[in-house]
Amino acid sequence: GAVVSQHPSWVICKSGTSVKIECRSLDFQATTMFWYRQFPKQSLMLMATSNEGSKATYEQGVEKDKFLINHASLTLSTLTVTSAHPEDSSFYICSADPQGAYYGYTFGSGTRLTVV
Amino acid sequence: GQQVMQIPQYQHVQEGEDFTTYCNSSTTLSNIQWYKQRPGGHPVFLIQLVKSGEVKKQKRLTFQFGEAKKNSSLHITATQTTDVGTYFCAGPGSEKLVFGKGTKLTVNP
Repeated sequence: GAVVSQHPSWVICKSGTSVKIECRSLDFQATTMFWYRQFPKQSLMLMATSNEGSKATYEQGVEKDKFLINHASLTLSTLTVTSAHPEDSSFYICSADPQGAYYGYTFGSGTRLTVV
Repeated sequence: GQQVMQIPQYQHVQEGEDFTTYCNSSTTLSNIQWYKQRPGGHPVFLIQLVKSGEVKKQKRLTFQFGEAKKNSSLHITATQTTDVGTYFCAGPGSEKLVFGKGTKLTVNP
């Protein structure tokens, strides 16, 4: 089945630094990927839709300058949290739709970010 | 915009009891999907329902899609501790899936 690989699984960084999270589709091409944020005991919050070769579409209230998304190829999307602060600590998950396989969205394993 | 509402938010059951989560959409859906997220894990696709009134079963899990294609339910018979997690329904929106807030199931052994 379709696999989405997400790295790193967890990261601890200092306030003010930037963190890059990668999401790769391993056995299919993903023209679109989705980035979510999930707080403890809460639901998935869609942050942005990553589009290969074009600008990402951000949801209302998500700072595009803080959460930089790049989708340079059909198999790789990256999310960079710039100038991270403790309030950015969260679980970030990417997903993609293999299209036409009727297997639903495939999610990455998630990245737990802790900013200290 | 389209909304997908899911209830209950939390459900705690004794092992062996049944469990049901309900999903309602503000609009008619072409399909509805269900996902399970284990504690500490990521959402995993369970099933997709497409037809009005469709019922699908996966072992102890029964999924239903309403006649009007605006609601759905997931029923688990005789819950086991392996069923713990959060169950999400999701319907297609404009170029993206719209997820319900999920129902967190805990099972007391």
